[in-house]
Amino acid sequence: GENVEQHPSTLSVQEGDSAVIKCTYSDSASNYFPWYKQELGKRPQLIIDIRSNVGEKKDQRIAVTLNKTAKHFSLHITETQPEDSAVYFCAASMGGSSNTGKLIFGQGTTLQVKP
Amino acid sequence: KAGVTQTPRYLIKTRGQQVTLSCSPISGHRSVSWYQQTPGQGLQFLFEYFSETQRNKGNFPGRFSGRQFSNSRSEMNVSTLELGDSALYLCASSLSGVSYEQYFGPGTRLTVT
Repeated sequence: GENVEQHPSTLSVQEGDSAVIKCTYSDSASNYFPWYKQELGKRPQLIIDIRSNVGEKKDQRIAVTLNKTAKHFSLHITETQPEDSAVYFCAASMGGSSNTGKLIFGQGTTLQVKP
Repeated sequence: KAGVTQTPRYLIKTRGQQVTLSCSPISGHRSVSWYQQTPGQGLQFLFEYFSETQRNKGNFPGRFSGRQFSNSRSEMNVSTLELGDSALYLCASSLSGVSYEQYFGPGTRLTVT
């Protein structure tokens, strides 16, 4: 079936430490993997994404890695800051080109960065 | 460019009623997807419209329907509302079939009493 599992559900780190969130997907045809950050009362915001032809992508303090063989992808945040505190969602596209608009989301990870 | 907008932002309805929510995508975006967000189920895909045609559908009952207009604006309708339909309904727009980046609107908070 179509499923994305995300771990951990909550994560608490000290400011300056790194945070890692992991996701596993079920559909081997998935080829697009975005990450969203949602602050309380706000819309999900796209922070980084990766496509299946790339193993790693980095944007300043944020990086995403993808292991297609194992169907795993992860979000890495370095030098965390209090403003990184939010709920983070991973997602995977379902199917091939015929399903380009359908994303299946993980359950979310609540990240708390303690000053 | 203006972002994705949704109206209304808040709605309170009674069980059994119907509701229509509206979504205006980013200018130039032709794909609109709808999601339901609840604390228990997270973000769940409802359906996607592209060039006025429903291209994908999630696992929701037929009470949930939608449509897209020629200017890419989209509406979703929920008939015979149930208490369990209380949720944040989010729409997201994307450029086209070959561009996957989806940008979300602020959502419509629906409360069914």
